Amino acid sequence: DTAVSQTPKYLVTQMGNDKSIKCEQNLGHDTMYWYKQDSKKFLKIMFSYNNKELIINETVPNRFSPKSPDKAHLNLHINSLELGDSAVYFCASSQDLALSTDTQYFGPGTRLTVL
Amino acid sequence: KQEVTQIPAALSVPEGENLVLNCSFTDSAIYNLQWFRQDPGKGLTSLLLIQSSQREQTSGRLNASLDKSSGRSTLYIAASQPGDSATYLCAVKTSGSRLTFGEGTQLTVNP
Repeated sequence: DTAVSQTPKYLVTQMGNDKSIKCEQNLGHDTMYWYKQDSKKFLKIMFSYNNKELIINETVPNRFSPKSPDKAHLNLHINSLELGDSAVYFCASSQDLALSTDTQYFGPGTRLTVL
Repeated sequence: KQEVTQIPAALSVPEGENLVLNCSFTDSAIYNLQWFRQDPGKGLTSLLLIQSSQREQTSGRLNASLDKSSGRSTLYIAASQPGDSATYLCAVKTSGSRLTFGEGTQLTVNP
């Protein structure tokens, strides 16, 4: 009965490859997010989708492309992986981003290592 | 641009001690402030959320305060336990519904 799940948990790949990370939430939330946590543990927003519509798109290389097939899923596809993409990627969801009480629920993270 | 700073970066205390973690932010136009806990290799768990109109929130041994005008928040942990060892992250929600995180305080409570 995991609220926000991500697959895979670990991903090790070579430079130049294309990979995807999947995220699913069973909380019935309208909004989903992708965050990147670098080696210094600094957590930064990458994308946010509300009802399958992109609402936040930070300064992220266009090699990163989020895809939301439905409200419960937000996948992250990364093309031409680079060494600097190595990080932990977290998916999150929240009920209604417009609410001042809106709390985000995080997945367990996907540790991506690019060799 | 909102910036969030947390002090100290790391803290080690003996079990039973009361402690305070600090968070400061540069733009006082926030919707809310949240404190999260992150255990090694795990995701984040929300601990407390303070709306911009509130001054504090309490949950068990945790108490978080917010002074929006000075751009500061504190997380008070009473009677610390080894199980409280984790990284504590402060995050503020600003316009565009973005959460801006601090770099966290790594807490170790020694038995």
